[in-house]
Amino acid sequence: QVQLVQSGGEVKKPGASVKVSCKTSGYTFAIYGISWVRQAPGQGLEWLGWFSAYNGRTRYAKNLQHRVTITTDRSTSTAYLEVRGLRSDDTAVYYCGRVLGDRDYFYGMDVWGQGTTVNVSS
Amino acid sequence: QSVLTQPPSASGTPGQRVTISCSGSTSNIGINYVYWYRQLPGTAPKVLMYNTDARPSGVPDRFSGSKSGTSASLAISGLRSEDEADYYCAGWDDSLSSYVFGTGTKVTVL
Repeated sequence: QVQLVQSGGEVKKPGASVKVSCKTSGYTFAIYGISWVRQAPGQGLEWLGWFSAYNGRTRYAKNLQHRVTITTDRSTSTAYLEVRGLRSDDTAVYYCGRVLGDRDYFYGMDVWGQGTTVNVSS
Repeated sequence: QSVLTQPPSASGTPGQRVTISCSGSTSNIGINYVYWYRQLPGTAPKVLMYNTDARPSGVPDRFSGSKSGTSASLAISGLRSEDEADYYCAGWDDSLSSYVFGTGTKVTVL
């Protein structure tokens, strides 16, 4: 079955960087996009960006585009999210999700990873 | 600040029908698919409705989605205790070039 398994929780100091992985299995990695979403404690869901398998492009939420990078490794069917210049308000659970869409259009996510807690604290 | 607005809470007794609204605009719900996600405490969200009104395999037909103009709705009929969760609508926003989530609705079964 389709599975997305994320790396373990991280504790980082302000200003540091974090890289979260999302290892996929059970489907052909090359034909589905991957998206990242986060959820701060007690808050709603916030979309961070996505990688389109159709054309290899990445798109990011405008408020984070200068601090976030999504990469993929086809050889291991793994996606990565790097967040740089961490601040206390980056403390959240980060989720990856498989993207449903048509070509370069993003419709939504059908399977999600279990989440990775990133705690930013001095 | 979300561009999709949901009521913060909704409730009903077992067996009742509950409807959750999701208000958007012409740049998101008005022209794109709506997805609904359900999140139980401490767990990852799961897709409940995709492409506005389609149910993934395993989701009972007690759940139904619809859209009219710039608003969408999720209806839960025959409410059950296991339906207690947070529900989020979502869709692509062409103006923001971004995927946007609703503010979330907590459903309580009385």
